[in-house]
Amino acid sequence: AQKVTQAQTEISVVEKEDVTLDCVYETRDTTYYLFWYKQPPSGELVFLIRRNSFDEQNEISGRYSWNFQKSTSSFNFTITASQVVDSAVYFCALSNGPRALIFGKGTTLSVSS
Amino acid sequence: NAGVTQTPKFRVLKTGQSMTLLCAQDMNHEYMYWYRQDPGMGLRLIHYSVGEGTTAKGEVPDGYNVSRLKKQNFLLGLESAAPSQTSVYFCASSYSAPGGKSPLHFGNGTRLTVT
Repeated sequence: AQKVTQAQTEISVVEKEDVTLDCVYETRDTTYYLFWYKQPPSGELVFLIRRNSFDEQNEISGRYSWNFQKSTSSFNFTITASQVVDSAVYFCALSNGPRALIFGKGTTLSVSS
Repeated sequence: NAGVTQTPKFRVLKTGQSMTLLCAQDMNHEYMYWYRQDPGMGLRLIHYSVGEGTTAKGEVPDGYNVSRLKKQNFLLGLESAAPSQTSVYFCASSYSAPGGKSPLHFGNGTRLTVT
C-alpha cells in the first residue's frame, strides 16, 4: 500500500538556523512522483516541488533544497537560514497511480525571531 | 486567472442538515479532487473525478456525494451532516493524473462546522 510518513509533528527553530523536514514513503510502483506542499498560517496550499522516481539528483531553489534517496525511500526537505516567513505546515505527498496524491500528516515548522 | 475557487469559505450546519460545496476551476483541468483536512491527519481524499461525468471514491467517501456535470465544476454534497464532518475541505484540480507530471492546484478551503 502507498504510504507517506512524516515523523516530525512539530519543529521549532530560531531564525537563521537550518532545518530538515523528513519524509519517508512506501510504494510498490516503479514509477512515481513525490511532492512537497507548504501551508502557511493563511491556510492555502502552495506547491513547492515535484520529483520523479527516476531522478535522484538533489535540487536547490534559493534557501530550499531537497534530498531524494530511493535506497532509503526518503525525500527530505531542508531550509537553510530559516526565516519567520517559513513558519508553516509542510506536507510531503506521493502519487498514487491515476487516482490522487497521498499526503503525509504534515510537519508544523515554527521559526521564531 | 482565478485558478480554483471554492464557495462558501465558511459554513456552520446543524446535525442532519444538508449542504453542497462548490468547486470551480478555470484552467481546463481534467482531474478534480475533494480532500478533507483534520488536525494531525493531513489531507485525506474523499472523492475525485477523472473527467466530466465521472466520479470515484477516495479514502474517506462515506457520508459524501459528488457530481461533475460540467468539466469546470466539482460539487461535494453532505446529505445529512454529522459532527464528524467538521473539517476544512479542499478542492484541487490537475491537468493530468498526479501519477504523471501535474501537481495539484488547490482552492483556499472551506471551513465547515457541524454542531
